[in-house]
Amino acid sequence: NAGVTQTPKFQVLKTGQSMTLQCAQDMNHNSMYWYRQDPGMGLRLIYYSASEGTTDKGEVPNGYNVSRLNKREFSLRLESAAPSQTSVYFCASSGLMNTEAFFGQGTRLTVV
Amino acid sequence: SQQGEEDPQALSIQEGENATMNCSYKTSINNLQWYRQNSGRGLVHLILIRSNEREKHSGRLRVTLDTSKKSSSLLITASRAADTASYFCATVDQGAQKLVFGQGTRLTINP
Repeated sequence: NAGVTQTPKFQVLKTGQSMTLQCAQDMNHNSMYWYRQDPGMGLRLIYYSASEGTTDKGEVPNGYNVSRLNKREFSLRLESAAPSQTSVYFCASSGLMNTEAFFGQGTRLTVV
Repeated sequence: SQQGEEDPQALSIQEGENATMNCSYKTSINNLQWYRQNSGRGLVHLILIRSNEREKHSGRLRVTLDTSKKSSSLLITASRAADTASYFCATVDQGAQKLVFGQGTRLTINP
């Protein structure tokens, strides 16, 4: 099984450019998440989707939008990238709230 | 601010010793989970403990949960060089649908 697949793995953007990070899971999970990880900050939750058709803000949603396209896919969009959004982005999914989450390998984004 | 505060932020021990990491949180939780992250990689789930459980074991891992103190600890016994990684606690609140992480403990096992 592929598990959780994120694309792209690396991306460099110029300030003001937009892009969408893609995430897909093949485990029939209900819940999906987007996190960012900065050095020394651990993982901070950007947005999450508890089920298909619903999305909610996490700890640091400003500057981002999300789309739960279907049960498999959850995308993260940066409308106007800023250097402060330079980070490693992780997508994750879980079946239920009382079970483990599975993570993608991350997208390393640099905004110059 | 993040839910979990982990202590210590960094820990360096000799191979064969035990490693203990602590996590404190702020809310009423449904469960608490521990994850490992090797450098530059995605996180891997280690163990989950529910709010009505006090202790759980998995191989060389032992997790305790004290809901009255809103704290948890992860003990890794007989550490190995391959245990070198960052360890994170994460919580799911009661009635909520989100998984929130602490800042992590960076563990180094010296051969």
